[in-house]
Amino acid sequence: AQKVTQAQTEISVVEKEDVTLDCVYETRDTTYYLFWYKQPPSGELVFLIRRNSFDEQNEISGRYSWNFQKSTSSFNFTITASQVVDSAVYFCALNPGTYKYIFGTGTRLKVLA
Amino acid sequence: SQTIHQWPATLVQPVGSPLSLECTVEGTSNPNLYWYRQAAGRGLQLLFYSVGIGQISSEVPQNLSASRPQDRQFILSSKKLLLSDSGFYLCAWNDRAEAFFGQGTRLTVV
Repeated sequence: AQKVTQAQTEISVVEKEDVTLDCVYETRDTTYYLFWYKQPPSGELVFLIRRNSFDEQNEISGRYSWNFQKSTSSFNFTITASQVVDSAVYFCALNPGTYKYIFGTGTRLKVLA
Repeated sequence: SQTIHQWPATLVQPVGSPLSLECTVEGTSNPNLYWYRQAAGRGLQLLFYSVGIGQISSEVPQNLSASRPQDRQFILSSKKLLLSDSGFYLCAWNDRAEAFFGQGTRLTVV
């Protein structure tokens, strides 16, 4: 079965705190892609990152960083020094090399000033 | 560059009325197209996907249908809306590397 689990429904942090959003996935495929999307209040999904299953290098982009660990089937997302503009719903997604994208249920992040 | 247009942005429809949401893609040919629904406070549920003109795959049995009359046009329809059809509908296309989403239609069935 293919599945993405985002166990954190909602997280609240105070501005400038670091926050990690968890993502655990299940797939039997050896080739797959993992994604993170941001959904601000406007509703549109904004692409943040794609990682393929053969690339376990962690990535950093500004205040954003991603930790991909195949051993634990996790693809966690950390925001450093969070800002109010980071408030959004964040989705983790799996594409097992087919036409389908499997999304987690999302984590609502609230950054308080 | 590729863009995706989805309209209308918001829609309020009475129960039992028909529905037609349209999505068009520019800047690419033969895209894989998707309709997702996001119920309030929930994740994204794949409703339909299409790999070509006239080719529709349904993921969830429901009150909705989809059609792809042209290569870059994807339409979501219903003959009679139910209250449970309320939600946020997103059209998307992908190039296998990434899925690109439209701005969504917020449908309220009253």
